[in-house]
Amino acid sequence: EAGVAQSPRYKIIEKRQSVAFWCNPISGHATLYWYQQILGQGPKLLIQFQNNGVVDDSQLPKDRFSAERLKGVDSTLKIQPAKLEDSAVYLCASSLDLVLTNTGELFFGEGSRLTVL
Amino acid sequence: KQEVTQIPAALSVPEGENLVLNCSFTDSAIYNLQWFRQDPGKGLTSLLLIQSSQREQTSGRLNASLDKSSGRSTLYIAASQPGDSATYLCAVDDYSGGGADGLTFGKGTHLIIQP
Repeated sequence: EAGVAQSPRYKIIEKRQSVAFWCNPISGHATLYWYQQILGQGPKLLIQFQNNGVVDDSQLPKDRFSAERLKGVDSTLKIQPAKLEDSAVYLCASSLDLVLTNTGELFFGEGSRLTVL
Repeated sequence: KQEVTQIPAALSVPEGENLVLNCSFTDSAIYNLQWFRQDPGKGLTSLLLIQSSQREQTSGRLNASLDKSSGRSTLYIAASQPGDSATYLCAVDDYSGGGADGLTFGKGTHLIIQP
C-alpha cells in the first residue's frame, strides 16, 4: 500500500516569496491534516480536512497561509508571503474516516522542509 | 488547551538495556494516544496507538501503557538496539464529541543507543 506522498522534499526561498506544498494521502483516507514542525519541537496542527471540507483551521495563520482539498483527495498548502519564522518541516498526514475505523490512527508523509532566507 | 510533556528530552544508554520514556498530558478527555518514531530528516512512523478505553498495547519489543485518569503514558523499549536510535514523540487526540480533533504532540525524547 502506497503511503502519504509529499512534494517537494526541500525548498529554499527568500522572505516575502511564495511557496506551495502538495500532498497525496493514502487511497481511501477521508481525513487529511497539515502539520508544521519547527526544529526541536513537536508537530503543530495547521489544518484538518474531512473529504473536501475544513474541520479545523484555528491554528492556521490565515493572513499568509492557505490550504485547499478541492476534490477530496490531493491537497495543497500555500504560504504567501513567507516569513523567516515559517522555516520548518511541513508534514501531511491522513487517516480513515472515524466512522469506518474507530481508531483515528494517523499516517504521515516524509515532509517538505522549507528554509526561508 | 491540551499540553503534552515528554521526559526526558534526551537519553543515551548502552545497547541491550531496557528503558522507559514518559509522556504526560493535561486534559484527560482524550480519544486516543499515539507513540511515533521520527528519524532525522524523515516523517513520523506510528509505533503504537492506545484507545482511551485501553490500558496498554504491545508490538514486538515495545509496550505502551496509558493511565488516562492521571494523564500519563509510558513507552517501554526492551533489549534496546542501535537501530532504535531516533526521536520518540507522544501525541494525544482530543475528543470534542464530534470526532478526533487532530493530534497534540510533545516535543519528543531524543534517544541514542550506544553500540
